[in-house]
Amino acid sequence: DTAVSQTPKYLVTQMGNDKSIKCEQNLGHDTMYWYKQDSKKFLKIMFSYNNKELIINETVPNRFSPKSPDKAHLNLHINSLELGDSAVYFCASSQIGDAGELFFGEGSRLTVL
Amino acid sequence: EDQVTQSPEALRLQEGESSSLNCSYTVSGLRGLFWYRQDPGKGPEFLFTLYSAGEEKEKERLKATLTKKESFLHITAPKPEDSATYLCAVQAGGYQKVTFGTGTKLQVIP
Repeated sequence: DTAVSQTPKYLVTQMGNDKSIKCEQNLGHDTMYWYKQDSKKFLKIMFSYNNKELIINETVPNRFSPKSPDKAHLNLHINSLELGDSAVYFCASSQIGDAGELFFGEGSRLTVL
Repeated sequence: EDQVTQSPEALRLQEGESSSLNCSYTVSGLRGLFWYRQDPGKGPEFLFTLYSAGEEKEKERLKATLTKKESFLHITAPKPEDSATYLCAVQAGGYQKVTFGTGTKLQVIP
């Protein structure tokens, strides 16, 4: 009964390709997030959705497009992948108003060759 | 802009050797300070929320404290299973965004 699950766990792809990561939470939370963790372990927010509505979009290139079909799902599509996109992408969720008490998925490690 | 600095970057302790991790922060109107634990290959796991200076929270061998400029995570008599990276994060008042530090990697040797 994984609370926040994301797939795939690993992606290896060539520059210029497009890839998607899917995320689902079964905690009943209203808010979902995408975070990026770089090679130095720095964790930075990318997007936040409240009940399918985009709340935070942190100066992320428009090659990254999140989509929330319902409040339990948040997907991330990345177009025209670049070397610098290589990182671990974490999906997270929280109760609305509790942005600091996050429940994270296990991460999707993206490697762009 | 909100800033979080954690020190040391890495800490190696003998089992049973107590120590503290530091998290210094700069934020406009602190709404909350958060501690997380991250094991290799896993997502961060929430540990504590602290809201105001003087507040303390405890969980097993861990105790988190908060002042107006920094937070400490005290580890008492650590065990090898406490080995992990500990992340600190802050949230400014009235804003949903959380800013993380780069963490302290703790290794506890048997």
